[in-house]
Amino acid sequence: EPEVTQTPSHQVTQMGQEVILRCVPISNHLYFYWYRQILGQKVEFLVSFYNNEISEKSEIFDDRFSVERPDGSNFTLKIRSTKLEDSAMYFCASSTLVGGGNNQPQHFGDGTRLSIL
Amino acid sequence: AQSVSQHNHHVILSEAASLELGCNYSYGGTVNLFWYVQYPGQHLQLLLKYFSGDPLVKGIKGFEAEFIKSKFSFNLRKPSVQWSDTAEYFCAVRLDSSASKIIFGSGTRLSIRP
Repeated sequence: EPEVTQTPSHQVTQMGQEVILRCVPISNHLYFYWYRQILGQKVEFLVSFYNNEISEKSEIFDDRFSVERPDGSNFTLKIRSTKLEDSAMYFCASSTLVGGGNNQPQHFGDGTRLSIL
Repeated sequence: AQSVSQHNHHVILSEAASLELGCNYSYGGTVNLFWYVQYPGQHLQLLLKYFSGDPLVKGIKGFEAEFIKSKFSFNLRKPSVQWSDTAEYFCAVRLDSSASKIIFGSGTRLSIRP
């Protein structure tokens, strides 16, 4: 079964530095998402992306965050001027239809653990 | 604000016991409902989903869930758990047909004693 893949599995970055998290969605999927899970807390929606544009974003996704689909396969999340509170597990997801509609759910990657020191 | 509530933070059961994990959401409109499972060290996996039709849905590994619209609930059940069911279980809701995001509950950690 095709999978969403994320790299790296663990990223350690100094506070204030920029970090890029990478995701390869399932190849025929059109909608892409980032979620994060701070240790011990719930999974939270960050952003959704379709047709090279952000479809929806949460209040967490401030101007330090950006997403990009630089080529036909990768989907990246960039965080500039990282803060300690950005430390979390970041999950990428993809789906064929918006939000995972019409019985086509979102598929999640293994996640990237981001540690800000 | 719309939210998803999972009232059981940690459930401990013996093998062969029956399981029911509660999930309630706060939203009056049409919803899509999901249960995801996260085994230790692994990614979120879809256990089952409800979009429309029969409110009793069956998922993988013997799990089922029932959507009760009047109670805004989507409880997860399994008649007889196994040690391999030890994992974190997340209830999630998509609020309407045009929404792109999923709202997750805080999760329930299930520990099965062998």
